[in-house]
Amino acid sequence: EDQVTQSPEALRLQEGESSSLNCSYTVSGLRGLFWYRQDPGKGPEFLFTLYSAGEEKEKERLKATLTKKESFLHITAPKPEDSATYLCAGIKAAGNKLTFGGGTRVLVKP
Amino acid sequence: EAGVAQSPRYKIIEKRQSVAFWCNPISGHATLYWYQQILGQGPKLLIQFQNNGVVDDSQLPKDRFSAERLKGVDSTLKIQPAKLEDSAVYLCASSSTGGAAGYTFGSGTRLTVV
Repeated sequence: EDQVTQSPEALRLQEGESSSLNCSYTVSGLRGLFWYRQDPGKGPEFLFTLYSAGEEKEKERLKATLTKKESFLHITAPKPEDSATYLCAGIKAAGNKLTFGGGTRVLVKP
Repeated sequence: EAGVAQSPRYKIIEKRQSVAFWCNPISGHATLYWYQQILGQGPKLLIQFQNNGVVDDSQLPKDRFSAERLKGVDSTLKIQPAKLEDSAVYLCASSSTGGAAGYTFGSGTRLTVV
């Protein structure tokens, strides 16, 4: 059974305190790994797609990396506006179904 | 580009009642998805349409949930009768054929069953 597990479940950071979120996956025939940001009361907002081990993508204070078994989302010098739930999801080569992890709730305090 | 529109935003019903949600995807997106997100969890796929045909409904509780996509555009998701455990946010998403760039999600409908 396809599975995506995120850790930690919750993360409290001081503004400027860098950290990393983990996403481990066992998805047969994985085509890509997605990262989304979700704010309260809103749908997930697309951040990155990673397709091969060793790939990295960056956007402002966020950098996503991918290995054969896991992905990391690094948050560098976070600001309070980075507070959100971060979701990762795997997509199979066949079809477009996303299998999501449970998310990491990030709170950045000023 | 207009986003994925969903209505209503919130709905409170009693158990055993019925409820329907509506979704209008991004214009030209052939694939439409309904996801269920229980509080504190990641979204779970309920049903996927390609144009107006069902591609995957393996996790849809078919004894109480139904969905349709008329003319390959708008879609409705219905629950009848609702149970307490159906309390969740129901997210609609759409993607162009292939979906490699990722979906676009709507803001969801928050359902509370009391």
